[in-house]
This record gives sequence, C-alpha cells and structure tokens, in this order.
Amino acid sequence: AQSVSQHNHHVILSEAASLELGCNYSYGGTVNLFWYVQYPGQHLQLLLKYFSGDPLVKGIKGFEAEFIKSKFSFNLRKPSVQWSDTAEYFCAVNADRGSTLGRLYFGRGTQLTVWP
Amino acid sequence: DAGVTQSPTHLIKTRGQQVTLRCSPKSGHDTVSWYQQALGQGPQFIFQYYEEEERQRGNFPDRFSGHQFPNYSSELNVNALLLGDSALYLCASSANRGITLHFGNGTRLTVT
Repeated sequence: AQSVSQHNHHVILSEAASLELGCNYSYGGTVNLFWYVQYPGQHLQLLLKYFSGDPLVKGIKGFEAEFIKSKFSFNLRKPSVQWSDTAEYFCAVNADRGSTLGRLYFGRGTQLTVWP
Repeated sequence: DAGVTQSPTHLIKTRGQQVTLRCSPKSGHDTVSWYQQALGQGPQFIFQYYEEEERQRGNFPDRFSGHQFPNYSSELNVNALLLGDSALYLCASSANRGITLHFGNGTRLTVT
C-alpha cells in the first residue's frame, strides 16, 4: 500500500518568513500528487497538483511545490507567509494505475500557525 | 461555498446504533468518494461510487456501506457503531472518476 509522510506536524512562523513543508511518499510507479489546505472551519481545498510535465508546480495564493522523483518528495513552499496562511496542510498521492486508481492517500497533515 | 454539500453537520450516536450520512456532489460531478478523518490524522479512503456502483473500497469493514442515487447524490451507512468510528466523515466529488477532488465540509460523528 502507498503511504505518505509529512514530517512536520506543527510549524510556527512569523509573517514574511519562508515556508517549506515536507512530503514523502512510498510508491515506485507513476504518481499524481496534491497539496490540500484546510482553513479553520472550512472544507479541504486544492492548493496545487502535479500530474506530469514541469516538476515545479505553481498553485493558488503564491504556493508552489517541487516534485523530485528520485527522492519520492513533493515539498510545498511559499517565499513569504501571511497570517491568513494559518491552516492545516495535507499532502496526498494517487497512483495512476492499478487497483488504487481514483483513491488518494493522505499524509497526517501539518498545522501551520503564522504569527502577525 | 463548497459546492459539495453534506448533512448533517454534526451527529451524536450511541454504540451499536446505525447512522446514515448524506452527500450531494458539486454540480456537474458524477463520482462520489467518502473519507474518514480521525482526530489528528489525514483522511482515509472508505469507498468510491460511480454510476451507482461501488468502484473501489479501502480497508474498512462491511459495517460501512454506501449507495449512490441516479442524481449522483450518495449515502454512507455505518452499522453497529463503535467508539472508534468517531471521526469527521468527508464526501468528495469529481467528474468521471477523476482524481481532482472537491470536498464537502464533512459530518462530525461522535459515538458515545
């Protein structure tokens, strides 16, 4: 079975600091990768996704992520965080074939707190 | 607006009871997936419905069952509730079994 690891469970930053959230997955085949965000009291929203092509993916609200196949990683970055980025961030992985087609495997999430 | 609507938002049940959760997908979507999110964990896949049939299932016991209606809405049923079933249940919809999911706000189930 696939697994997704998010090593940072809680990250605390000051506004304007740079952010990098780690995500590693275990699956040797072709994957589709996602970052979702959950703001307090709101539903999970898609930040960005990678299916193929340029491994540097840009998403909404200034976020980007880089797929490094050799490291099985898909880290999320933002050069300068804002107080409004306080939320929980989930990395998710999908295999593009086989019995798990259509199923997302999620990491346990990283809670980001940004102090104004 | 989530686009995906779930009801109820909160539910309290007693061990051994049965519960039904409901989901209406985003307009234009025909595929519904259900996820369970325990406290402090990421969502875990329960099953996916497409064309009124269960297409995939995660590692959940048969106590968890579902249904999809002709209008693409879906229900999740859980029988013989256990304390460990307490969680946030998320419905996600997509088009044509796609993997870009749109999530609802979830139903918070508490089993006492």
